[in-house]
Amino acid sequence: GAGVSQSPSNKVTEKGKDVELRCDPISGHTALYWYRQSLGQGLEFLIYFQGNSAPDKSGLPSDRFSAERTGGSVSTLTIQRTQQEDSAVYLCASSFGFSGPQETQYFGPGTRLLVL
Amino acid sequence: AQKVTQAQTEISVVEKEDVTLDCVYETRDTTYYLFWYKQPPSGELVFLIRRNSFDEQNEISGRYSWNFQKSTSSFNFTITASQVVDSAVYFCALSDTDNYGQNFVFGPGTRLSVLP
Repeated sequence: GAGVSQSPSNKVTEKGKDVELRCDPISGHTALYWYRQSLGQGLEFLIYFQGNSAPDKSGLPSDRFSAERTGGSVSTLTIQRTQQEDSAVYLCASSFGFSGPQETQYFGPGTRLLVL
Repeated sequence: AQKVTQAQTEISVVEKEDVTLDCVYETRDTTYYLFWYKQPPSGELVFLIRRNSFDEQNEISGRYSWNFQKSTSSFNFTITASQVVDSAVYFCALSDTDNYGQNFVFGPGTRLSVLP
């Protein structure tokens, strides 16, 4: 596709359920980023992939959060046993590379998650 | 601990005025990265710039310019001849590693309104 896509666009779930959020980066982009934005915490950086590898997972808020990327393309952010404080917009971005002009990140429209 | 301060919560200017958005950061590291992002009313984040701490040259991109001053720990953003389309929330961010992770922190944002 022309841009970064994310699915679902909206997700309502019950507390305690698991959710999977998907990000399809721009074709050919090797770097992929997850962020989230909530009323309570503002903007937060979650995790970054270079290829299929995430060098630092310390930005994930808790061990209920995990992320993977396969084939250097699609990434999935999984939240287990969701809590109400997980309610936020989850944003994905990708970039061609990680330095110079290649580092420009292009964002998807986000997935709005509401945990009841 | 790392911190990013954007003291201006909201700024209003009239179209064609120049406007500077302030960003002051705190870090103990000598190597770090500074960022600016834009979030227009549509909500989709736009990546504007990443700058590493070894590059103190000012950056200009069209009507946008960035002034990095290590001596005052500031990375200010100036929009010249502002336009209505510049109305957005602008976020400054800091990471002390190029792996990002938990050391990636955002400022609270400055809401810019450009009036016609």
